[in-house]
Amino acid sequence: QLVLTQSPSASASLGASVKLTCTLSSGRSSYAIAWHQQQPEKGPRFLMKLNSDGSHIKGDGIPDRFSGSSSGAERYLTISSLQSEDEADYYCQTWGTGFRVFGGGTKLTVL
Amino acid sequence: QVQLVESGGGLVKPEGSLRLSCSASGFTFSDYYMSWIRQAPGKGLEWVSYMSSGGSTIYYADSVKGRFTISRDNAKNSLYLQMNNLRADDTAIYYCARESGTGYSSLWGQGTLVTVSS
Repeated sequence: QLVLTQSPSASASLGASVKLTCTLSSGRSSYAIAWHQQQPEKGPRFLMKLNSDGSHIKGDGIPDRFSGSSSGAERYLTISSLQSEDEADYYCQTWGTGFRVFGGGTKLTVL
Repeated sequence: QVQLVESGGGLVKPEGSLRLSCSASGFTFSDYYMSWIRQAPGKGLEWVSYMSSGGSTIYYADSVKGRFTISRDNAKNSLYLQMNNLRADDTAIYYCARESGTGYSSLWGQGTLVTVSS
């Protein structure tokens, strides 16, 4: 069974950088993922698709402050120059024939 | 503009039924796989179902299999979710999402709230 694991919470200061992690379950290190942002009281927004080699395709209008990288079964979302509006829940997602899977989400607090 | 707008949510009693709709605009709806995803209050995202662009391929999460039915009308640029035999744990915001060519959600609606309670 494919599982995506995310830390429940993270925090960083205004203007700093933060790196969020999504870990694929054992044997699934070749899977691509997508990152989504959900600001308070809003629907999710697609941020980027991130491949196992670290290449990524961002959604329309996503700032350059958002970037992705990969290492083995880990998929990362790095947000630089943190702004107050980056305070949100961040979800990773993967997929295959017959299934779509989301991680549990990471709540990012901007201090 | 490019958007998805869900409707049809509301309060329903346990074992009742509800039909959700998702209206698409700003893109060629018939070119895309579409999915339904839900979020229980204070919880994370849970995939519910997806359907291929022409409607021939459909999958459901085990939690809704046999109770929910996804459908679409490409002439009306609309996606639907028929929900039967609803339970309290179906209470959630239901989002429709446009999928990329490979399977991730690349465009989300704003959601519609379904509350199952007596």
